[in-house]
Amino acid sequence: GAVVSQHPSWVICKSGTSVKIECRSLDFQATTMFWYRQFPKQSLMLMATSNEGSKATYEQGVEKDKFLINHASLTLSTLTVTSAHPEDSSFYICSARSEGQGETQYFGPGTRLLVL
Amino acid sequence: LAKTTQPISMDSYEGQEVNITCSHNNIATNDYITWYQQFPSQGPRFIIQGYKTKVTNEVASLFIPADRKSSTLSLPRVSLSDTAVYYCLVGNSGGYQKVTFGTGTKLQVIP
Repeated sequence: GAVVSQHPSWVICKSGTSVKIECRSLDFQATTMFWYRQFPKQSLMLMATSNEGSKATYEQGVEKDKFLINHASLTLSTLTVTSAHPEDSSFYICSARSEGQGETQYFGPGTRLLVL
Repeated sequence: LAKTTQPISMDSYEGQEVNITCSHNNIATNDYITWYQQFPSQGPRFIIQGYKTKVTNEVASLFIPADRKSSTLSLPRVSLSDTAVYYCLVGNSGGYQKVTFGTGTKLQVIP
C-alpha cells in the first residue's frame, strides 16, 4: 500500500516552454501533497505544500507564478514549470500524506527535468 | 520546525550493524520521528517511524531516548545494497504541518 507515482519520469524541453508533472496517490487519498526539488548531491528542498481544493502554500523564494500547483482531487496534484529555463533543471519529487497514513509522507519516484 | 542534525557520511563493512544518530533538540510534543532511505535518482523510501522508546520492523530499529532530543536508526547486518543517503525527519500532521529535510547521512557499505 501507500504508493505514489509520478509522470513523466524524465523530460527534456527547450528553454521557454512549460512542463507539467503529475503526482498520483494510487491506493490512498492524499489530503496533503508536497513538492520538492533536489539538485545534485544536495538534500530535498520543499517548494510548496498542496492541500486538496485549496491554493498551494509556497516556500520562501519559490515563485508561485512560475511553479503552478494544482491539487484538484484527493489523488492527483500537478506541478507546472512555466517558461522553463536551464536553471530549472533539477529532480522534482512529490510526496503525499493522508490522515489515514498517520505522520508518514510517501514519496513518488521523482521526475528528472532537463531544460536545454 | 524542528531542525535535525546528522553525520554527513559513514562507512561500514558488509555484515556489520550500522547506527546512525540524529539530533533534534527542539522537537515538539506532538512531533514524530521518521527515517527515509534515498538511492540516487529515486524518491525517498520510508524506513521506520516512531514517537518514543523503541520501534522495530523487518528492516530496521529506531531507538528514541526519553527526552526525545535524538534518535538512532539501527540497520542490522548491512549489505552493499544499503549504500544510500538516510534522512531523519521530525514533524507532525496537525494543521498539515510540513517537514524539512536535513543534509542526510551518506552511508557507504564496503565489501
